[in-house]
Amino acid sequence: QVQLQESGPGLVKPSETLSLTCTVSGGSASSASYYWSWIRQPPGKGLEWIGYVYYNGNTNYNPSLKSRVTISVDTSKNQFSLNLSSVTAADTAVYYCARTAWLPLMFDQWGQGTLVTVSS
Amino acid sequence: DIQMTQSPSSLSASVGDRVTITCQASQDITNYLNWYQQKPGKAPKLLIYDASNLEAGVTSRFSGSGSGTDFRLSISSLQPEDIGTYYCQQYSDQVTFGGGTKVEIK
Repeated sequence: QVQLQESGPGLVKPSETLSLTCTVSGGSASSASYYWSWIRQPPGKGLEWIGYVYYNGNTNYNPSLKSRVTISVDTSKNQFSLNLSSVTAADTAVYYCARTAWLPLMFDQWGQGTLVTVSS
Repeated sequence: DIQMTQSPSSLSASVGDRVTITCQASQDITNYLNWYQQKPGKAPKLLIYDASNLEAGVTSRFSGSGSGTDFRLSISSLQPEDIGTYYCQQYSDQVTFGGGTKVEIK
């Protein structure tokens, strides 16, 4: 059973870059069968897809965040990462990483989530 | 952008009741629709994919139906462990989630 674990700072200052890493265990980030996604959830609100990366580095981002988002994969470390630049308080959320099956595109395994607060 | 509208936003029902949640897409998404359950403080869990297919290991109390723009998630006999918030998600054009339906026990 694949497991995913998010890691990174829980507090980021406004205008700085939020950086998170997801470590994949029990599976391989170099699998051609899956994409790897980031999804976030502001406190008390709904889910927002941020984007996904494929093992070869191909990416697809939510158009509303595209100008600020970079998702990358490091297959040698079995990890993938999220960078979100120029953050504001509106980026405060629980950030989830998720394994993403393709066609159907579904998030079938999730990390436990990590809360990132944007505050000075 | 495809907008996903769920209703109701919350509901309260008795144990054993049949519960139905609806999700409406702003345009035709054929059957490119998944459903998730999120229990308080936990990550979402995939229940249904492609509108009507039950994910492996998910109880058959859950069922999904619909196509085009109108979809439904049903719980045949509500149990205490079913409390949580339910989300629909489309992948016809990029990915968007519905706003969620919070299910409580009366």
